[in-house]
Amino acid sequence: EIVLTQSPGTLSLSPGERATLSCRASQSVSSSYLAWYQQKPGQAPRLLIYGASNRATGIPDRFSGSGSGTDFTLTISRLEPEDFAVYYCQQYGSAVRTFGPGTKVDIK
Amino acid sequence: EVQLVESGGGLVQPGGSLRLSCAASGFTFSSYWMTWVRQAPGKGLEWVANIKKDGSVKYYVDSVKGRFTISRDNAKNSLYLQTNSLRAEDTAVYYCVRETLSSGYFDYWGQGSLVTVSS
Repeated sequence: EIVLTQSPGTLSLSPGERATLSCRASQSVSSSYLAWYQQKPGQAPRLLIYGASNRATGIPDRFSGSGSGTDFTLTISRLEPEDFAVYYCQQYGSAVRTFGPGTKVDIK
Repeated sequence: EVQLVESGGGLVQPGGSLRLSCAASGFTFSSYWMTWVRQAPGKGLEWVANIKKDGSVKYYVDSVKGRFTISRDNAKNSLYLQTNSLRAEDTAVYYCVRETLSSGYFDYWGQGSLVTVSS
C-alpha cells in the first residue's frame, strides 16, 4: 500500500496570499497518478487536479499541481475566500487507492 | 446529470451488520469502476473498497478485509457495501464514488450515509 503524507497539517494564510501544499508518497506513484480534492464542511470532496497537474473541469486557473515520483505540490496562487477548506491528495497508481491525511487551509 | 444516492446507514451495535446501497443515475453504470470512501467524524478520507465494471475484481483496505463485501448489480444501477462485525472505529460517513473512465481518480461523489457503531 502506498502511504501518502501531507504537510503542513494546517496552513494559516490571508486572502490574496499564495498557498503551497505538499504531498509525499512512500513509494513512487506510477505515471503521476496523483489527484487533489477540496472539501468544505458538510460537503463531499470535489476533484481539483488529476494526473498531478491537470485541472478538472471548471476549476479556476489559480489552482495548479506539479510533481512526479514521490513528491507532489498543490499551489493556490492567490487565495479567494471560498478556498479556505481541507485539501487531500490521492494516489491511483495502485489498485488499492489511498488518500493523504489532508491539509487544512484556514484564515489567518 | 450524474447522481449517486446512498442509503442504509444508521445506528448499529458493535458486532452488528448493515448493508449500504448506492443508487446511480445519469450515466452508464456498467462502464465504470465504483468505490466506497469513508470519513470518520472530524477525520480525513479513507478509501475502503472498489469494484470493477463487471464485478469480477474487488479490492479492499486491510482494515475491512474479511468483514466488508462490495458488490454491484448493473441491471439495477446499484452499488452495495455489506458491512459485518462492525466496530466503533467503523463509525463514519460512507460515500459512494465513481471512478473516471480512464483512470482511478474520483469525479462524482454521493452525499454520504452515516454509519454509527455504538452500544
